[in-house]
Amino acid sequence: QSALTQPASVSGSPGQSITISCTGTSSDVGGYNYVSWYQQHPGKAPKLMIYDVSNRPSGVSNRFSGSKSGNTASLTISGLQAEDEADYYCSSYTSKNTLVFGGGTTLTVL
Amino acid sequence: EVQLLESGGGLVQPGGSLRLSCAASGFTFSSYAMSWVRQAPGKGLEWVSSISGSGGALYAASVKGRFTISRDSSKNTLYLEMNSLRAEDTALYYCAKSVVGTLRGMDVWGQGTSVTVSS
Repeated sequence: QSALTQPASVSGSPGQSITISCTGTSSDVGGYNYVSWYQQHPGKAPKLMIYDVSNRPSGVSNRFSGSKSGNTASLTISGLQAEDEADYYCSSYTSKNTLVFGGGTTLTVL
Repeated sequence: EVQLLESGGGLVQPGGSLRLSCAASGFTFSSYAMSWVRQAPGKGLEWVSSISGSGGALYAASVKGRFTISRDSSKNTLYLEMNSLRAEDTALYYCAKSVVGTLRGMDVWGQGTSVTVSS
């Protein structure tokens, strides 16, 4: 199972909005509404930000939102803050009853 | 407080074995699927294995036949038995709790236990 495709890096200024894409196939992202997004700061464990494409766990800021169109899922962060600077990973359930992650995107807040 | 605490990592020679443990607390362990996710140094996340609350196990192709996931609800503990270890298994191994279902998202993570496979 190939990793999902994410941009290596994105950047934005405080207060702006950014979107991170996550492209898969009809056997994973496109076939199921089971896409998750994780935030990982250096040296820390990942944190779940979005699950089931667009659901936010309790405690996650509503500045984070998820969506999907076809084989591509997206994470949008609005009102960028310095603390949002981190690595972001998407993941998806697959038709082989496995889980696949994206390669990760480094977000830089300028 | 919901918490996961991994242990059992270390240095092992290629071809060797290791058993990781993950002690869970603060939630009804038997009601949730659990997973192992690893991260090689400087690399991204890689799903390794998951087990449902009823014990159904799933594995990544890269570890199938070599790794075995299990759980003991009487001890609130998740395990990963790793055999025939290879250099490419070197990573930080995280234990994680599913938010819902088995592969739909993981909302609680431990701090990880490091495994190094080297001669």
